[in-house]
Amino acid sequence: GENVEQHPSTLSVQEGDSAVIKCTYSDSASNYFPWYKQELGKRPQLIIDIRSNVGEKKDQRIAVTLNKTAKHFSLHITETQPEDSAVYFCAASRNTGNQFYFGTGTSLTVIP
Amino acid sequence: EADIYQTPRYLVIGTGKKITLECSQTMGHDKMYWYQQDPGMELHLIHYSYGVNSTEKGDLSSESTVSRIRTEHFPLTLESARPSHTSQYLCASSAYSGAFFGQGTRLTVV
Repeated sequence: GENVEQHPSTLSVQEGDSAVIKCTYSDSASNYFPWYKQELGKRPQLIIDIRSNVGEKKDQRIAVTLNKTAKHFSLHITETQPEDSAVYFCAASRNTGNQFYFGTGTSLTVIP
Repeated sequence: EADIYQTPRYLVIGTGKKITLECSQTMGHDKMYWYQQDPGMELHLIHYSYGVNSTEKGDLSSESTVSRIRTEHFPLTLESARPSHTSQYLCASSAYSGAFFGQGTRLTVV
């Protein structure tokens, strides 16, 4: 089965700096990679996703990159703000909407 | 508004009791999932379903069962609650993109 590893487990950045979270996956058949943000006491929310036919996708201050050869994908947050503080999860699946394999999460703290 | 609804939001129950956690979605999604999550920690898949009358076990399926008689409804039953079941239970659904989560049920077994 698929194995998704996520690093780092915790990350602290100064407000305005960039944050990068990295994930690797093992199943070369995985072709859909969503990212979730979970604020304290709230449900995980889908913030961005990427499919295997695309190398990069941007949405305002967040971007995701995918390297299929190396089997890794990353979340980039620029100009971080305190409201970006949350736990972020990456995930992989073989086809969109099938079983999702989640990373172990990254707790991001943005220091004002 | 299309969403995923979980009830109850909070539940305290005694050891050995049988409980059912409810999940309904108005998203029109075929696929539904149950995850167990301690606050801010990993998501562990308990059960999932690709459609009516289809259910599959995840990594943490022991001691629980699910049913999918209607597309929008995916209840989770713990046959005999134990303190080790104390956790948050998240229901989710998906179609052709990522999963969308309900607000969760926080279960405490005393």
